[in-house]
Amino acid sequence: QKEVEQNSGPLSVPEGAIASLNCTYSDRGSQSFFWYRQYSGKSPELIMFIYSNGDKEDGRFTAQLNKASQYVSLLIRDSQPSDSATYLCAVAPNAGGTSYGKLTFGQGTILTVHP
Amino acid sequence: DAGVIQSPRHEVTEMGQEVTLRCKPISGHNSLFWYRQTMMRGLELLIYFNNNVPIDDSGMPEDRFSAKMPNASFSTLKIQPSEPRDSAVYFCASSLFPDNEKLFFGSGTQLSVL
Repeated sequence: QKEVEQNSGPLSVPEGAIASLNCTYSDRGSQSFFWYRQYSGKSPELIMFIYSNGDKEDGRFTAQLNKASQYVSLLIRDSQPSDSATYLCAVAPNAGGTSYGKLTFGQGTILTVHP
Repeated sequence: DAGVIQSPRHEVTEMGQEVTLRCKPISGHNSLFWYRQTMMRGLELLIYFNNNVPIDDSGMPEDRFSAKMPNASFSTLKIQPSEPRDSAVYFCASSLFPDNEKLFFGSGTQLSVL
């Protein structure tokens, strides 16, 4: 079992729709969860992070965390063609203290938003 | 700030040659990471430093790979000898305590070993 799993997609949604990206993780002690966006040929950039169960909203983005189910998701409302990218889920392992920033990334989900 | 700076952007070399990748982290950041990205394996952590000290190099694939961070503003990743299976995009990233997991990535080095 991979430590962080994502559906590779591609996920295709029409412009204006809600895109839902999902991620599961295996380390039950994980504390911090991140979503990075990577445009084709570019480097990953951090767009959302969440530490507590529940929802966290930032503009059109909502991160959802359910630690009991070991599940993280990212919702993108009013999807735009400019949202077309690969979305990487990342988890900080339970290092018993500080993780020093060590992250385990999923394989990423390719999102395509078509006009 | 110019962000994380990596060089070169592209490197094409022949099998058996030595390859050196360079990284300048964001000024003031105290953690530095080297990642490798391929289609098959995704983004893999190779090694990371905290305050210039290597913390975990368990992701380094084999002895052909080595990394150094002689000071807070410079790090190198060296592959000697290089092999075709080393072909990948190598990213350097940095972060600042206490937000260690909020990584800022460089533009990457596209390495092709022929």
